[in-house]
Amino acid sequence: KAGVTQTPRYLIKTRGQQVTLSCSPISGHRSVSWYQQTPGQGLQFLFEYFSETQRNKGNFPGRFSGRQFSNSRSEMNVSTLELGDSALYLCASSFRGREYEQYFGPGTRLTVT
Amino acid sequence: AQKITQTQPGMFVQEKEAVTLDCTYDTSDPSYGLFWYKQPSSGEMIFLIYQGSYDQQNATEGRYSLNFQKARKSANLVISASQLGDSAMYFCAMREGRKTSYDKVIFGPGTSLSVIP
Repeated sequence: KAGVTQTPRYLIKTRGQQVTLSCSPISGHRSVSWYQQTPGQGLQFLFEYFSETQRNKGNFPGRFSGRQFSNSRSEMNVSTLELGDSALYLCASSFRGREYEQYFGPGTRLTVT
Repeated sequence: AQKITQTQPGMFVQEKEAVTLDCTYDTSDPSYGLFWYKQPSSGEMIFLIYQGSYDQQNATEGRYSLNFQKARKSANLVISASQLGDSAMYFCAMREGRKTSYDKVIFGPGTSLSVIP
């Protein structure tokens, strides 16, 4: 079974631009979560989607948004990028009823210059 | 408020020895789940083990076991017979709520484990 895939793997953007990251969960997984990882703040929860509905949301500004499609694929968007948005963005999927067992993708390394 | 504490920023262990990584948590919700993840230098997070707050027995998964002490609010990870491939960052995490209605996951700051040959 294929794992969680994230595209792109690396991205360089300039301040003020916007970016869209994509995540394809493991087949059969309908829950997708997004995390931001930085050296200073560690791993922080962004949001979680289940069946195209946002189920939980972390403490991030409205510039961070996401969505989930009917095939469970998910995208997250960051508008008006700031230098502090430079981070590893991780996506994780899980099977319904086993949300505690999350399978992570390799992440997207975003650098904002 | 949820909080996860990992007091050991870095640890060393001799190959084939056992090692315990500490984790304490704070929650007022009687229903919660505790997890451990491993993150090698490649960056990908790997799920290791899960413990539910109502589970009567400590969780075990191969060489990994979770020493769950509910009254002390601790959930230490024990790795037996360390291998060189165990060198990585280890994160303790918690999620409040029941299996059908979980809140967001909170991660601790992590412990860097280095296995010495």
